[in-house]
Amino acid sequence: DTAVSQTPKYLVTQMGNDKSIKCEQNLGHDTMYWYKQDSKKFLKIMFSYNNKELIINETVPNRFSPKSPDKAHLNLHINSLELGDSAVYFCASSQESGYQPQHFGDGTRLSIL
Amino acid sequence: GENVEQHPSTLSVQEGDSAVIKCTYSDSASNYFPWYKQELGKRPQLIIDIRSNVGEKKDQRIAVTLNKTAKHFSLHITETQPEDSAVYFCAASRSGGSYIPTFGRGTSLIVHP
Repeated sequence: DTAVSQTPKYLVTQMGNDKSIKCEQNLGHDTMYWYKQDSKKFLKIMFSYNNKELIINETVPNRFSPKSPDKAHLNLHINSLELGDSAVYFCASSQESGYQPQHFGDGTRLSIL
Repeated sequence: GENVEQHPSTLSVQEGDSAVIKCTYSDSASNYFPWYKQELGKRPQLIIDIRSNVGEKKDQRIAVTLNKTAKHFSLHITETQPEDSAVYFCAASRSGGSYIPTFGRGTSLIVHP
């Protein structure tokens, strides 16, 4: 059973389009995250979300928006895609944000044409 | 906020040698320090972690040491094998609230057979 699953695995689309990436965790964790990993491999935090609080990295453009229908899901919606958005996006979850390990999904490779 | 520096960015060793990756952090309140391994094309996975109530933790060929006074922690891999080749990330975070782990920029470890 996959603990943190994201779909799709690959996403190829045109500049200017809107797309969503879905993430689900079955670990019962209370915190979920989205990371962007560029070609230099740096893991940049985009959002952290639990039942009570959304923490947004202030450097993330407002074209990116997280949506959490419930505790087990955190989807990422991106408007007006740009070339610089090409990257691998990882979803992760943890219990007790900050003091327990994070479990990552397999990533979504987004390519903008 | 927290700042984590990780060195070296690339480390090349011969099979059987030891490898050491070092990280420093800035927030003296940080008390949780995980290490993640990311193989090519895969997701980051926790390999070992340490909390600030201990100075060293070992798991077979992998060990982590923590010096809270100097605010640095290190990953030690002994008897390296080609399958240890990967990108390694350190992180620092703290308990008690919605704290998001801060990651180092990663170390690409190459183990030559």
